[in-house]
Amino acid sequence: QPVLTQSSSASASLGSSVKLTCTLSSGHSSYIIAWHQQPPGKAPRYLMKLEDSGSYNKGSGVPDRFSGSSSGADRYLTISNLQSEDEADYYCETWDSKTRVFGGGTKLTVL
Amino acid sequence: EVQLVESGGGLVQPGGSLRLSCTASGFTFSSYAMSWVRQAPGKGLEWVSGISGSGGSTYYADSVKGRFTISRDNSKNTLYLQMNSLRAEDTAEYYCAKVESCVVYWGQGSLVTVSS
Repeated sequence: QPVLTQSSSASASLGSSVKLTCTLSSGHSSYIIAWHQQPPGKAPRYLMKLEDSGSYNKGSGVPDRFSGSSSGADRYLTISNLQSEDEADYYCETWDSKTRVFGGGTKLTVL
Repeated sequence: EVQLVESGGGLVQPGGSLRLSCTASGFTFSSYAMSWVRQAPGKGLEWVSGISGSGGSTYYADSVKGRFTISRDNSKNTLYLQMNSLRAEDTAEYYCAKVESCVVYWGQGSLVTVSS
């Protein structure tokens, strides 16, 4: 089954941009993933589904500041014009016919 | 508006049982696969179990296989997770999730604490 690898933490300044990475394990570089946001003390929220082509489909109400892209086995979440409310844990997810897998999550700090 | 409301969590002793429920509204429940995902205190998300829209196919993480059973009642728009032989490491917030290939909607969670 696929494995997803994420950096444990990231930080960026208010108003700047940040690019978070989720890397698929060997042999799974074509997999579609999803990105989820979890603010402190809250339930996760679906952000987008991201294909290996770089095409993405955002959830309802997700701001235009959030975008996705892909390169090989890497899947990216870019947040532009960072706001304080973007400080959260970000998880990637993928799946196959019988299982669902989450990455370890990246804690984003907005400075 | 999609709503997923979990219930049934609480404190249970090691070896005990608990049944979680998730009541869904705002969409045609029987048309969608559903999953349970948990999060231990201070840890990341862990997929627990999934079920097809009809209920005919079920899937489990190795960590819960043989102890947990997922089911659904489409006439009641309700998803269940029967948890038996509970262990301290099952302590977590349990989220119900609507699935459209990926998870597209999350419930607010139900806390399960396994402790003596």
